[in-house]
Amino acid sequence: NAGVMQNPRHLVRRRGQEARLRCSPMKGHSHVYWYRQLPEEGLKFMVYLQKENIIDESGMPKERFSAEFPKEGPSILRIQQVVRGDSAAYFCASSPDGGITIYFGEGSWLTVV
Amino acid sequence: GEDVEQSLFLSVREGDSSVINCTYTDSSSTYLYWYKQEPGAGLQLLTYIFSNMDMKQDQRLTVLLNKKDKHLSLRIADTQTGDSAIYFCAEPNNAGNMLTFGGGTRLMVKP
Repeated sequence: NAGVMQNPRHLVRRRGQEARLRCSPMKGHSHVYWYRQLPEEGLKFMVYLQKENIIDESGMPKERFSAEFPKEGPSILRIQQVVRGDSAAYFCASSPDGGITIYFGEGSWLTVV
Repeated sequence: GEDVEQSLFLSVREGDSSVINCTYTDSSSTYLYWYKQEPGAGLQLLTYIFSNMDMKQDQRLTVLLNKKDKHLSLRIADTQTGDSAIYFCAEPNNAGNMLTFGGGTRLMVKP
């Protein structure tokens, strides 16, 4: 059973471009979470999704950021018009039922130049 | 809201025990987590403890929970160089759909 798969692992974008980060949850998991880790900091919650629904997006910046988890395919975290402050590691996590066991992916490191 | 605090750094010698501490604020948390992050990698779920437990042991790991003081600790016995990593404690919100992480404790194990 493969773990939570994220790609790309590393992404470099110029200021103003768009970044798309993908996350395939563990098999059988229908709950997906996105977290952001700024350099030398802990993880901060961004958004919680179930298939086709955003359950909690209280941690998402109001502009430029969006997330989806379609019926088919991976969850996508989209950042439009990236700025240097978006440089961070973005972690996806999944759980089978929104319960205790939450497993994290290896992360996608975004660098904005 | 939840707030989770950890000391930044811990250095131990190989073979010694390591104790990583964490304080949290939400007394209604029904469980608490410890995660491990190696350089450039994701978070590995180490263990979690229910709030109705005082202690949980899993091989070299011992978790102690003091609910009165809202204090959580992770003890690693016979620490090895492979234990060098950043350790995060985390607590869920009431709905259980969001984790609040501490800032992480960087454990350095010297040979």
